[in-house]
Amino acid sequence: NAGVMQNPRHLVRRRGQEARLRCSPMKGHSHVYWYRQLPEEGLKFMVYLQKENIIDESGMPKERFSAEFPKEGPSILRIQQVVRGDSAAYFCASPLRLQETQYFGPGTRLLVL
Amino acid sequence: DAKTTQPTSMDCAEGRAANLPCNHSTISGNEYVYWYRQIHSQGPQYIIHGLKNNETNEMASLIITEDRKSSTLILPHATLRDTAVYYCIVKDSGYALNFGKGTSLLVTP
Repeated sequence: NAGVMQNPRHLVRRRGQEARLRCSPMKGHSHVYWYRQLPEEGLKFMVYLQKENIIDESGMPKERFSAEFPKEGPSILRIQQVVRGDSAAYFCASPLRLQETQYFGPGTRLLVL
Repeated sequence: DAKTTQPTSMDCAEGRAANLPCNHSTISGNEYVYWYRQIHSQGPQYIIHGLKNNETNEMASLIITEDRKSSTLILPHATLRDTAVYYCIVKDSGYALNFGKGTSLLVTP
């Protein structure tokens, strides 16, 4: 996975709680993509961020989901008031530069009880 | 929706070449063909990509037809560890990768 780190690897939440997923891109990379993979499905794009900017959030659900990539620290995908349908694997990907090859992290498996 | 069509599943004997086809008949001139694979539930792994020339790296070869409407990923000597879902993705000028359902490759002993 070329140095892209995600944590936690597994996260269990009860309905109504908040989930925070973190992604640290490869060293020197300032772009992060977030994807979601529902059970038995392919990955779906959610959001693309550069440091301190959201570039494209066309794949993000309109409510309860937000993402940030601060100047310092990892990118965070935040899901408020989780529901069972949020149970999925969430992957982040990091290219060196815009439009270049995306390298994926190991993912966070979210289970909502 | 994905712009590519792949077989749902394929088998390959260990040690033999695995040839995974992909149709992308609506590809436009500036779109690249990318291949990724996902082993079990791990993060997708980049394999190779190309525009119109054939490409080869340490993992695989990519053969793109002259009209660019189809391509084939070749794993020259498949091993059991190559068992995975393989995704062929046409990457346009947008930002995201559009994953379809891919081909589930089973390498058998």
